[in-house]
Amino acid sequence: EPEVTQTPSHQVTQMGQEVILRCVPISNHLYFYWYRQILGQKVEFLVSFYNNEISEKSEIFDDQFSVERPDGSNFTLKIRSTKLEDSAMYFCASSPTGRSLPGGQYFGPGTRLLVL
Amino acid sequence: AQKVTQAQTEISVVEKEDVTLDCVYETRDTTYYLFWYKQPPSGELVFLIRRNSFDEQNEISGRYSWNFQKSTSSFNFTITASQVVDSAVYFCALHISSGSARQLTFGSGTQLTVLP
Repeated sequence: EPEVTQTPSHQVTQMGQEVILRCVPISNHLYFYWYRQILGQKVEFLVSFYNNEISEKSEIFDDQFSVERPDGSNFTLKIRSTKLEDSAMYFCASSPTGRSLPGGQYFGPGTRLLVL
Repeated sequence: AQKVTQAQTEISVVEKEDVTLDCVYETRDTTYYLFWYKQPPSGELVFLIRRNSFDEQNEISGRYSWNFQKSTSSFNFTITASQVVDSAVYFCALHISSGSARQLTFGSGTQLTVLP
């Protein structure tokens, strides 16, 4: 069964450093998403991406964040200058269309980011 | 705006007991989808079920069952004869189909602990 993959599984970085989180969505999917989960809290939407542009973003997704689909398979989230409060689990998700289908959005296993 | 409330922060039961996890949602849209996800200690999000707003038929899948009631805006999840492996955080989520909103709105989760 196709699945969303994410690398790395864990990342430790120093405050102020740039990080890039990588995702490979399911190949025939058209919509891509990033979500964040601070430890012990709920999963929060960051951004959705369709047709090579951001379709929607939350208040969390400020200027320090950016997303890119550099080629036909990868979908990346860049945090330019990490802050302590960026420490969280970051989930990538994809869906065939923007509407919910059986299974809804397919989530990757997450990248656990720790900012020191 | 959409909102999902999971009032039960933590529930602890003894193995083989039945347990119900509550979910109450708010939306002005008439077309929407509701989901339950399981997050085991390993951190990934495991899809359990999707329900659309036009289908109020309750669903049973093995030891899992879901009770969707539009009249009370609730989508409760029951585990029958709980097992230790059911221990996880369970999230209820909402997706609306109108406009450009394509993200999932998650509740804050319920930590279920099943004791042997």
